[in-house]
Order: sequence, then C-alpha cells, then structure tokens
Amino acid sequence: DVKVTQSSRYLVKRTGEKVFLECVQDMDHENMFWYRQDPGLGLRLIYFSYDVKMKEKGDIPEGYSVSREKKERFSLILESASTNQTSMYLCASSLGKPLHFGNGTRLTVT
Amino acid sequence: AQTVTQSQPEMSVQEAETVTLSCTYDTSESDYYLFWYKQPPSRQMILVIRQEAYKQQNATENRFSVNFQKAAKSFSLKISDSQLGDAAMYFCAYRSYGGSGTYKYIFGTGTRLKVLA
Repeated sequence: DVKVTQSSRYLVKRTGEKVFLECVQDMDHENMFWYRQDPGLGLRLIYFSYDVKMKEKGDIPEGYSVSREKKERFSLILESASTNQTSMYLCASSLGKPLHFGNGTRLTVT
Repeated sequence: AQTVTQSQPEMSVQEAETVTLSCTYDTSESDYYLFWYKQPPSRQMILVIRQEAYKQQNATENRFSVNFQKAAKSFSLKISDSQLGDAAMYFCAYRSYGGSGTYKYIFGTGTRLKVLA
C-alpha cells in the first residue's frame, strides 16, 4: 500500500510566520501535489511537481511556494502566513492514475 | 479549462437503500480518467471507483457503481445497500493532461452523504 505522510495533523501559527508543511511518500511516485480544502470550495490545487526540482503552479499558488529536493519529499511553504490561509492542506502523490492522499494538516493562522 | 461540478451539497439516504450522487464535468479532451473519492470524518481520502473515458462499460466496485455518460459529460455514483459507514464527503475528480507529460487532478466541491439508521 502507498503511504503518504504529512508531518503534522494540526498546526497553529501566527500571522507573518514562515510555515513549512512536509509531505513524504514511500512509493517512488514522480507526481506530487498540494491541495487546500475549504468548505463549499472542494479541493483546490496549489502546486504540483512531476520530478525532483520541478514544480508547476496550480490554480491558487499566490502566497505559497514549494520545494522538491528529493523524489519522496514535497514541501509546501507559506512565506508569511496570513489568516486567509487557515485551511486544511492535503498532500497527494501519483504514478499517473489514482491519487494517494496523506491524512491532511489542519492549519490555523491567528 | 476543465471544470467539475457537483450540484448536490448534501444528500441523505436510509440505511439499506440506494442513493445516486451527481457529477458533471467540462472538457475538450477525448481521453481522460474520472474518479470518486470518499472522505470520512477521519479526513483520509479514499479512492472509491475510477473510470477510463475510452471504456464504454461502467465501472463497478462491490456496492459502488457509476453511470458514465461521455457525450453528456456526466459521471454519477450509485451506492447500493447503503451502510452507516458510507456516511462521508464524496468528491468527484477529473484527471487532466497538464502538458509536458504531467497530469492535474481537478475536484468538485463535494457532496456530504448522511446515512440514516
């Protein structure tokens, strides 16, 4: 079974802090994704990566950046956290067909 | 750009009954994949079923089946013999070709399913 691990289940940060959300997958998947999930809006794609050091913007990249230095790890960075970034963040990986998800990080920015 | 629409924010079904969740999508691609994911209160997204657009036959996984209407761009999920454990948020998703050999997955806004005992 594919395992996608997100480092934190819950996170509380202050406005203006730099925040790192980490995601690790154990199946050598090339594609990795970061989504945010908000009620009534579903899952919206922030960034994705199809290879080490490669990244592509999704639909809502503003305020976020990503890093993929190793194939198994994909980090989401909030350069200066704001209250409108309070949300559930989901990481996923894929070899091209179904997505395999981590169990999410609920981030609260106060 | 591709879009996925789930027009039912919430549905209820009596235990042991059948319920159908709707999903429509918009695309100009001819070859693609469609998925239904389930998200229970634990938050873990679980793949329920998938459909390849070039296959005419509707996918089935135990009590879960789809009605895939390619011309109408419709992809509904039918849950038969509903169980209390089926209560969850259900998301419809479309796999889109993102260019340069990459893929993007586009999700609908979700349907919350309640199962009544």
